[in-house]
Amino acid sequence: SQQGEEDPQALSIQEGENATMNCSYKTSINNLQWYRQNSGRGLVHLILIRSNEREKHSGRLRVTLDTSKKSSSLLITASRAADTASYFCATNSGAGSYQLTFGKGTKLSVIP
Amino acid sequence: KAGVTQTPRYLIKTRGQQVTLSCSPISGHRSVSWYQQTPGQGLQFLFEYFSETQRNKGNFPGRFSGRQFSNSRSEMNVSTLELGDSALYLCASSSVSGTDTQYFGPGTRLTVL
Repeated sequence: SQQGEEDPQALSIQEGENATMNCSYKTSINNLQWYRQNSGRGLVHLILIRSNEREKHSGRLRVTLDTSKKSSSLLITASRAADTASYFCATNSGAGSYQLTFGKGTKLSVIP
Repeated sequence: KAGVTQTPRYLIKTRGQQVTLSCSPISGHRSVSWYQQTPGQGLQFLFEYFSETQRNKGNFPGRFSGRQFSNSRSEMNVSTLELGDSALYLCASSSVSGTDTQYFGPGTRLTVL
């Protein structure tokens, strides 16, 4: 079953602009991870944020987590054409398992 | 370190047949998970193995099974294939002493005719 819901489902921006994607989830989590997928290929791990963290940065990526609202956001700054991909959030509830529950994803198109 | 590898990358089968997919995790990783990705259902968890034991299982019929070997390599098997089993099957591995990050392989694209 899908726990997360990404918003928007699709996003089209110009190169150099910032892209923001949101994710909501339903149950308590141990951590939340963001992944990128290019055209039906494997998932590339972008960033992991734990339930006791509020914000993390990695290069041009910034992730926030609000556990009270059960939501997270991914910001990609100064986007590039190579950022064109689908982005998924995935939650892990812990409890001795690495099982991830994925959202439906946001399809990002960066226009050169 | 080499990443997660999956074989074969592409597979075409007919209804009623069975198929076995293979996954080799990153060296040192003992947890392997499998996911099915379809346009309609998205990414869904199949099962997770840790030290040769199934630790968790998703909501899939018994036709889907898996196992893990002592070297942490894992296989999943789908018997009596149905058209709806056409999907991208992804394998992920994780280090138990790491950061809980799941590293995914390139996937096996299964087409059932």
